[in-house]
Formats: sequence, structure tokens, C-alpha cells
Amino acid sequence: EIVLTQSPGTLSLSPGERATLSCRASQSVSGDYLGWYQHKPGQAPRLLIYGTSSRAAGTPDRFSGSGSGTDFTLSISSLEPEDFAVYYCQQYGTSPRYTFGQGTKLEI
Amino acid sequence: QVQLQQWGAGLLKPSETLSLTCAVYGGSLSFYYWSWIRQPPGKGLEWIGEISHSGSTNYSPTLKSRVTISLDTSKNQFYLKLSSATAADTAVYYCARGISSLAARPLDSWGQGTLVTVSS
Repeated sequence: EIVLTQSPGTLSLSPGERATLSCRASQSVSGDYLGWYQHKPGQAPRLLIYGTSSRAAGTPDRFSGSGSGTDFTLSISSLEPEDFAVYYCQQYGTSPRYTFGQGTKLEI
Repeated sequence: QVQLQQWGAGLLKPSETLSLTCAVYGGSLSFYYWSWIRQPPGKGLEWIGEISHSGSTNYSPTLKSRVTISLDTSKNQFYLKLSSATAADTAVYYCARGISSLAARPLDSWGQGTLVTVSS
């Protein structure tokens, strides 16, 4: 089973700043199979990025994904107040199908 | 736009079976995979299992012995049953849709979540 490790655990920034979130896999991951989700308290998680860098419908273009192999990054170019949330990277595999990182909390 | 609405018992005693329903509105079960995911208090997301529109299933190895996911196309609903519940199964449970046409089958629509507490 591939383990995803996200860093940092908590990221404290201000609106307007750039955020860079990291996701490291214990083994090489196909770029097609890496995604990112945003999760706010009391809400359902929301798909932001799939296939490493493809934005899901409705994802603002300030969100971008990159990476390959074992190192992947979610970047938010200029933080808006609504971006403060927990972000999970996720890998699609064989067994289990979906593996999530432990999350990065983005706080003001 | 598809919407997923879920419901089920929110309080169980240890050893009872957890049962949840997820109804799909504004779309069909066809051509997608349907998953259950949970989040224990203060922890991250854990995938439980999935079912295809044709009824084939995949389960998390850690829960496989206790999980059953099924669907009813006539009702446009799918279901989760988790037997022999313990306190460790206390979590918010989500249903979600996986896009089968994409390699990574990303989960693009989610239910609102159901808090299930297992306590004596």
C-alpha cells in the first residue's frame, strides 16, 4: 500500500499570500492517479485537482497542481478568505482503491 | 447537477450493524463508481469501498471482512453495511461518486455526511 505524507501539517498564511502544500508518496505514483481535495468543517470534501494538474469543474485558476514520481505539490497563487481549509492529497491504486494523505490545515 | 443525499442511524451499540443509504438525484448510477469514505473524529479520510453501476465491488483490505456495499438501480440508491461495529467505527461517513471515464476515478460529488456514533 502506498502511503502519502503531507507537509506541513499546518500552514499559517494571510489572504493574498501564496500557499505551497506538499504530498510525498512512499512509492512512485502515476501522475494520472494523484488528486487533491479541499475540506471545510461541516461540509463534504470537494475535488479540486485530478491527474496531478487538471482542475475539476468550478476550481478557480489560482489553484494549480504539479509534480511527478513521489513528490507532488498543490499551489494557491493568492489566498482568498474562503481558501482556508484542510487539504488532502489522494492516490488511486489497486488495493485499496483510494489512499488519502493525513491532510494539511491551511489557517489564517 | 447530480446531488447525493445520505441517511441512516446515527447511534449504534457495539456489535450492531451500521447501515447507511445514499440516494442519487439528478443523474443515473450508470457509468460511474460509487464509494463510501469515512472520517473519524480528529482524523483524516479513509476509503471504505466502492461499487460499480453493474454491481462489482472493491473494499478496503482493512474493512473487507465486515463491509457490504450494494445498490438498487430502480431506486437510484446505493448502500453501506458495516457489521460488528465498535467504537473505532465512530466517524462521519460520506458517499461519493467516482468518474469511471477518468483513469484515477476522481470523487467529484459527495453526500453531506452522516455522523455515526458507536457507544454502549
